[in-house]
Amino acid sequence: DAMVIQNPRYQVTQFGKPVTLSCSQTLNHNVMYWYQQKSSQAPKLLFHYYDKDFNNEADTPDNFQSRRPNTSFCFLDIRSPGLGDAAMYLCATAKGLAGDQQFFGPGTRLTVL
Amino acid sequence: AQRVTQPEKLLSVFKGAPVELKCNYSYSGSPELFWYVQYSRQRLQLLLRHISRESIKGFTADLNKGETSFHLKKPFAQEEDSAMYYCALKAPETDKLIFGTGTRLQVFP
Repeated sequence: DAMVIQNPRYQVTQFGKPVTLSCSQTLNHNVMYWYQQKSSQAPKLLFHYYDKDFNNEADTPDNFQSRRPNTSFCFLDIRSPGLGDAAMYLCATAKGLAGDQQFFGPGTRLTVL
Repeated sequence: AQRVTQPEKLLSVFKGAPVELKCNYSYSGSPELFWYVQYSRQRLQLLLRHISRESIKGFTADLNKGETSFHLKKPFAQEEDSAMYYCALKAPETDKLIFGTGTRLQVFP
């Protein structure tokens, strides 16, 4: 089935130790998004790619970076995780057309020790 | 500024009762509005969008531009409707969704 896949589903890292979260899609969608969702809060957009064009949200900390080496894959790099970065990280994709929906992955839950 | 407000964190009803999950938005133009749902242990997924004017799983939502609302309604709730519901807005000129904080719907037998 065409879908959005996130690996790993659970990630534990230490304070300050770089970590990379992975997202892949088989939908051939143009747009890929990364959201951060903390407990009882709305998903918060960190950044997104339209094809190779990177769009950072103004309030996304510099600690968060992203790479999209090809259409199928997108990575979220957290250079020096802090305790406040513990959250669920959601990847989503969309065709990039007016009115289209976003397709979400299952998320990666990040724990920072 | 673009904003989506869902005033209720939790809505509890009995099976068969009508349900209305409220959503208000602030946007100066003509936004696209969506309802996304997350069932227990499942991924976030689209429930419906205003441009489709469709009924999904018995749910409907009408965009009221005068009241800037997009409330989600179902006449007879079912236990399987228990989930987290997010209202979301997309400005036509962007690829971004702005989510509300969500309403947890609990349907008791």
